[in-house]
Amino acid sequence: AQSVTQLGSHVSVSEGALVLLRCNYSSSVPPYLFWYVQYPNQGLQLLLKYTTGATLVKGINGFEAEFKKSETSFHLTKPSAHMSDAAEYFCAVSEPRSNFGNEKLTFGTGTRLTIIP
Amino acid sequence: DAGVIQSPRHEVTEMGQEVTLRCKPISGHNSLFWYRQTMMRGLELLIYFNNNVPIDDSGMPEDRFSAKMPNASFSTLKIQPSEPRDSAVYFCASSLFSSYNEQFFGPGTRLTVL
Repeated sequence: AQSVTQLGSHVSVSEGALVLLRCNYSSSVPPYLFWYVQYPNQGLQLLLKYTTGATLVKGINGFEAEFKKSETSFHLTKPSAHMSDAAEYFCAVSEPRSNFGNEKLTFGTGTRLTIIP
Repeated sequence: DAGVIQSPRHEVTEMGQEVTLRCKPISGHNSLFWYRQTMMRGLELLIYFNNNVPIDDSGMPEDRFSAKMPNASFSTLKIQPSEPRDSAVYFCASSLFSSYNEQFFGPGTRLTVL
């Protein structure tokens, strides 16, 4: 069974500082990995995803994440935080799809990011 | 594209009433997922469909919950009878088979059961 652990349910950083949100996963097969962002009163929006190939993945709004198989990690970073980055962030893992259809995502419990002016 | 459409956006009902939530996936997507989000339990997958067929309903909390997908462009999640503990935000998401399982989420329905 797959699982995702997000360390730190709340993270606060100063505006302009580095953002680091941690995600570790467990999967019996090479996984697909995702980061989603949720702004207040909205649905989840995809930030970035890793499927195969290059392990450093760039997403929207200046975020990036690196797949490290040896550490079973997929941490999310952004060099310089902006006030608009304040939101909840979810890491998710999925198994490669079968011939019969898409597979479900297993989400972490989320990390609420607060930006200090 | 209009994205995933959910209705209603807000629903307030009294305990014991039937509640029906609706979802229109993105055109061409062949997988549909229903989630529930609460402060206490976070984001929970309730059920998902591939090509209109339910694949995994192990997340459905109890027999009061049921979901249908009569065609590729419409799905419903029904709660009968509703209880205060069902109060939550319910999300629908859809996915395209060629998309490495990437899901697109709707705006959610905020359900309050009094």
